[in-house]
Amino acid sequence: QSALTQPPSASGSPGQSVTISCTGTSSDVGGYNYVSWYQQNPGKAPKLMIYEVSKRPSGVPDRFSGSKSGNTASLTVSGLQAEDEADYYCSSHAGSNNFEVLFGGGTKLTVL
Amino acid sequence: QVQLVESGGGVVQPGRSLRLSCAASGFTFTIYGIHWVRQAPGKGLEWVAVIWYDGSYKYYADSVKGRISISRDDSKNTVYLQMNSLRAEDTAVYFCVRDTYKLDYWGQGTLATVSS
Repeated sequence: QSALTQPPSASGSPGQSVTISCTGTSSDVGGYNYVSWYQQNPGKAPKLMIYEVSKRPSGVPDRFSGSKSGNTASLTVSGLQAEDEADYYCSSHAGSNNFEVLFGGGTKLTVL
Repeated sequence: QVQLVESGGGVVQPGRSLRLSCAASGFTFTIYGIHWVRQAPGKGLEWVAVIWYDGSYKYYADSVKGRISISRDDSKNTVYLQMNSLRAEDTAVYFCVRDTYKLDYWGQGTLATVSS
């Protein structure tokens, strides 16, 4: 049950694009398409932003997009806005029945 | 609307027990698995446990295996997390979360503090 690997920080200016990576193994990120991304603001519960690698829940701006290549998933935020500044976590379902969940360590996104 | 409301947190001494509850509403409880995810102060998210929709599967993180058990009461639309032999490192906000192979709805969390 090793955690997924994310960079601790990322930054960009308003209007720019930023990509956050999430690296796992062939037993989790690389083996299944159950990769999700969550946004968390201070003192709040996480909010689902991307699921099944690249799908967006209703209400999430299309500035947020997800992708995967091999054992690494990525979250891209395009057209950065001040309100995007938050912590971002990736997750992957894992285990023999995909019931367990692994999280990344989180990435603090700063809008300069 | 979908709601998950945690309760039962508080301050407890090391070695003691605590039972957290997660009351669900706004959806058909009996067809969803429920996870507990925790977050220590200033730290990242850590998956703790899951119980499948019919209670047939229960899985635990290695860090809590043997000390924590998850259960559900479908008559009350509630999931429980029984935490025994608590340690300082179990101090965290505990979130319950609905599963559809994505963690789509989260409760607001309940804080459990293990301290003498």
